[in-house]
Amino acid sequence: RKEVEQDPGPFNVPEGATVAFNCTYSNSASQSFFWYRQDCRKEPKLLMSVYSSGNEDGRFTAQLNRASQYISLLIRDSKLSDSATYLCVVNGDDYKLSFGAGTTVTVRA
Amino acid sequence: DTAVSQTPKYLVTQMGNDKSIKCEQNLGHDTMYWYKQDSKKFLKIMFSYNNKELIINETVPNRFSPKSPDKAHLNLHINSLELGDSAVYFCASSRLGGRGGNEQFFGPGTRLTVL
Repeated sequence: RKEVEQDPGPFNVPEGATVAFNCTYSNSASQSFFWYRQDCRKEPKLLMSVYSSGNEDGRFTAQLNRASQYISLLIRDSKLSDSATYLCVVNGDDYKLSFGAGTTVTVRA
Repeated sequence: DTAVSQTPKYLVTQMGNDKSIKCEQNLGHDTMYWYKQDSKKFLKIMFSYNNKELIINETVPNRFSPKSPDKAHLNLHINSLELGDSAVYFCASSRLGGRGGNEQFFGPGTRLTVL
C-alpha cells in the first residue's frame, strides 16, 4: 500500500466553480501535512500547510481528519491559473516527506 | 536570486555513461534532498543530507552516489546510466528536517534522458 494515495483526476471544472479532492495516508504516526502545487514541467511549490483544526488561505481550504487518515483541499471560485497538479504531502518518519502522485485540476474558461 | 539551483537543466546521454548533477541553495538551510520524478509523475525521495551528513538513503541502486561538500551543496553522481534512469531529478532544501516537516524548496529540476 502506498504511503500517500490520491485520486489522479483529472478534475475539469469551469471558472468560478468549486472543486474538492482528498488524499489518504497510511502512517497513523504522521505529524505534518501539506499541499504542494506543481505546474507542468516545473518544480513543486508549497501551497499550504494543513493544520489539525483546518485552515484557509484565500480561496483554498484544507482539512485534516486524523481518525480516518485523510486530508482534503477545496478550491473556491476557481481561476484559470489554478490549473495544476496538487500534491498531497505527509511527514512520516524523521526528515522524510512522502508525496502522493498528485491530483490534476484543469479549469476551463 | 535563485534559491535552489540545479545544473544542468537538461541532460541527454548514452547508456553506460557516468554523469553528475549539481545543486546549490542560498537559503541557509541545513537539510538538502534529491528526489526522482518518473514518467508517472510520482515524486520519490532518494537521499537527504543534514549538515553534510547522510540521513536518508532510500532503496536506490548504488550507481547513484550523493556528495555534500558543504551544507549549501548537494551533488548527485550516477554511474553506468541505464534507460530506467530517465526521469526528472529535483533537488530540494529545508530549514530543519525532522518531525517538524518544514517547507521544502525545490530546484527547477534536471531532465535526464538516457538513450
